[in-house]
Amino acid sequence: DIQMTQSPSSLSASVGDRVTITCRASQSISSYLNWYQQKPGKAPKLLIYAASSLQSGVPSRFSGSGSGTDFTLTISSLQPEDFATYYCQQSYSTLLFTFGPGTKVDIK
Amino acid sequence: EVQLVQSGAEVKKPGESLKISCKGSGYSFTSYWIGWVRQMPGKGLEWMGIIYPGDSDTRYSPSFQGQVTISADKSISTAYLQWSSLKASDTAMYYCARLVLRDNSDAFDIWGQGTMVTVSS
Repeated sequence: DIQMTQSPSSLSASVGDRVTITCRASQSISSYLNWYQQKPGKAPKLLIYAASSLQSGVPSRFSGSGSGTDFTLTISSLQPEDFATYYCQQSYSTLLFTFGPGTKVDIK
Repeated sequence: EVQLVQSGAEVKKPGESLKISCKGSGYSFTSYWIGWVRQMPGKGLEWMGIIYPGDSDTRYSPSFQGQVTISADKSISTAYLQWSSLKASDTAMYYCARLVLRDNSDAFDIWGQGTMVTVSS
């Protein structure tokens, strides 16, 4: 099975900060990597697919990069509505998915 | 509007059976895989399994194989997740989600609102 790790597990940041979250796969997954945002009490929301493509309706301050085993999600200027938990998810294994453990972004 | 609507919260006792549902609308239900995701209280997302309602092809995470059953009734655009004998450790929020292919990467683009299952004696 492909294992996913994320770092940091949590971070505190201020509005306007640039935030970077890292996701690492236990083996190469090419660009088969998605990012989700989950706010408390809500279902997850797809932000980025195929490592770097922005899902329709997602603000352009969100961006993704990486390939192989190392990936990053960047929020260029953190907004109040961005305080949430972020999960990566690999889709390299056909119909056998894995989520990362999550990174919680809260207010400094 | 494309949406997945899940059944309501459940409170059950250990050993009881349960079947929760996820109804799709606004798109061709038989043309997209539907996955199930568990989120235990205060924890992260765990992929459980997935079904293609068009032909009921089903795959399970090794962690959930044999623990749950995923099914679908395409005539009513509904997918199901069921347990034959619940345990306290099944207490969690359960989400269904639609799988789409984007730039050769499968992603869950539409999510249900979640069904909270509480198992307690």
